[in-house]
Amino acid sequence: DGGITQSPKYLFRKEGQNVTLSCEQNLNHDAMYWYRQDPGQGLRLIYYSQIVNDFQKGDIAEGYSVSREKKESFPLTVTSAQKNPTAFYLCASTDRGGSNQPQHFGDGTRLSIL
Amino acid sequence: RKEVEQDPGPFNVPEGATVAFNCTYSNSASQSFFWYRQDCRKEPKLLMSVYSSGNEDGRFTAQLNRASQYISLLIRDSKLSDSATYLCVVNMRWNSGGSNYKLTFGKGTLLTVNP
Repeated sequence: DGGITQSPKYLFRKEGQNVTLSCEQNLNHDAMYWYRQDPGQGLRLIYYSQIVNDFQKGDIAEGYSVSREKKESFPLTVTSAQKNPTAFYLCASTDRGGSNQPQHFGDGTRLSIL
Repeated sequence: RKEVEQDPGPFNVPEGATVAFNCTYSNSASQSFFWYRQDCRKEPKLLMSVYSSGNEDGRFTAQLNRASQYISLLIRDSKLSDSATYLCVVNMRWNSGGSNYKLTFGKGTLLTVNP
């Protein structure tokens, strides 16, 4: 089945540690996105990528980094500079980034501080 | 004015009731509109797109009023399985003159349908 796979489902971060969240899609979509959701809040855009080897900062990029070396993969690293990383992280994709298409989401990663 | 603002809720309704969700958006240049549904501790899933002329999908009706910058979702004959958070989502151009779009999400309205 085609879809977006995020892993791990749950992740714990120690103080000063960088952690990487995986997002893989087999939908042949060009554009991929990372969002963060806090309790009772809407989703906020962290980073997005419209095409391989290109990505742009979203609204809350500080303390995060991404790469887009392959079309199907868009990993997100939560660095130690992100002081409040506890949240639900969602990866999404759409077939063309410069379009009005809706986005489809992976099932998310919950990150907590140890 | 917030970019996308929804009824704060929560809504508690009996099975079979009709329930309406309202949403306003601030950017008149917004291009497309969606309703997503999010179950507890799950990812959002696309419920329906919202078209200018209004559209219906079974028990769900979505309407758009561009002049008032207002979107609505009506659920008729609500079922227990409709219990979820409903997210109003607006797609707008990310940067002036550019080709990037971004989705802006409302905070969502929680619906609980009771037996």
